[in-house]
Amino acid sequence: GAGVSQTPSNKVTEKGKYVELRCDPISGHTALYWYRQSLGQGPEFLIYFQGTGAADDSGLPNDRFFAVRPEGSVSTLKIQRTERGDSAVYLCASSPAGGPGIQYFGAGTRLSVL
Amino acid sequence: QKEVEQNSGPLSVPEGAIASLNCTYSDRGSQSFFWYRQYSGKSPELIMFIYSNGDKEDGRFTAQLNKASQYVSLLIRDSQPSDSATYLCAVSFSGTYKYIFGTGTRLKVLA
Repeated sequence: GAGVSQTPSNKVTEKGKYVELRCDPISGHTALYWYRQSLGQGPEFLIYFQGTGAADDSGLPNDRFFAVRPEGSVSTLKIQRTERGDSAVYLCASSPAGGPGIQYFGAGTRLSVL
Repeated sequence: QKEVEQNSGPLSVPEGAIASLNCTYSDRGSQSFFWYRQYSGKSPELIMFIYSNGDKEDGRFTAQLNKASQYVSLLIRDSQPSDSATYLCAVSFSGTYKYIFGTGTRLKVLA
């Protein structure tokens, strides 16, 4: 596709459930980022992939959060035992290799934990 | 704790005026600086990036970087109502590809 695609656009779940959020980056972009954005705040870094490996996962808030990118393209952010405090917009961004670090953002997934 | 700070605003300017948005950062080794614009309910989109001290101009936008004082600013000339949005400053810290965003400054351009 032409841009970063995130699915679903909205996800409503109940406290304690498991959710998966998907990101399909721009073709050929080797770097992929996940962020979380709460209302009135800037995007909060979660994890960064370079290819298939997680180069920096220091932003994951706890071990309920996990992300994979098995083939170096699509990535899935997985949240176990969701809590109401996990409610936010989850943004994915991709960036080409060797470039100045410009990130291209997807439209985000709005997660609501009831 | 690596930090990026912005005044949350709102910053209100009349149409046609210059809007000045500021950002300070804590890591003296930071190398890359980005300004993104985010309309309400939308995702961030890149406005400008800057790496070297001084000014960088692109159309109505000018980014200014002062590494000694650890601030980066964005000037918007001839502000238009369509410029009304939240402007996010992002900084990559030394030795990492991790980007830290500020909380953003909400700009209102009054017609």
